[in-house]
Amino acid sequence: EVQLVESGGGLIQSGRSLRLSCAASGFAFENYAMHWVRRAPEKGLEWVSSINSNGFSVATAHSVKGRFTISRDNAKNTLYLQINGLGVEDTAFYYCAKGTNDVVEAGFLDYWGQGTLLSVSS
Amino acid sequence: QSVLTQPPSVSGAPGRRVTISCTGSNSNIGAGHDVHWYQHLPGTAPKLLIYSNTNRPSGVPDRFSASKSGTSASLAITGLQTEDEADYYCQSYDSSLTSPFVFGTGTRVTVL
Repeated sequence: EVQLVESGGGLIQSGRSLRLSCAASGFAFENYAMHWVRRAPEKGLEWVSSINSNGFSVATAHSVKGRFTISRDNAKNTLYLQINGLGVEDTAFYYCAKGTNDVVEAGFLDYWGQGTLLSVSS
Repeated sequence: QSVLTQPPSVSGAPGRRVTISCTGSNSNIGAGHDVHWYQHLPGTAPKLLIYSNTNRPSGVPDRFSASKSGTSASLAITGLQTEDEADYYCQSYDSSLTSPFVFGTGTRVTVL
């Protein structure tokens, strides 16, 4: 059974940094691209960042580029999202999701985690 | 603002049929890029409902169906049930952007 478990969220002051993690199990993690998607309160789903299977190719939304860095450790079956210079606009549930191939481009997301809530205070 | 536009809300009585539209342009749906649909209850894991325009993953009831034509796509729910009350999103790729994933604006389905 595919499982994705996010962690690392919480209440944090603006301007600080933190790293979200996503522990994966139940599939060959090293063979698939992985993705982060967020949903802010009263807003819709927003794609944040993606990384290919070997970690050498990434894509990041313009809205967070320069502050968000996606990475992965295939030996630990774990996906990460480093967030620097937090702002109140980053308050959201952050979900990790599994891609259906090994590349970043296109496709769809077949499994999602339950999400971790990040609340940024001013 | 997303390049894929959905109605903010749709509603229907139990057992009825509702449809959700996803309107794009010639740089996304109209360019032939696949459309996928997700169901999401806030605070829970989003769920893949339809992939590659018309395909249902294993376990998704056949009450859910989807189609694509021109620059638009649509999701239909027949025999509406109370557990269908959720937010629904279309997703595709837009060649005018550098984002590999573009989500629609989202539609809240309410079962009356």
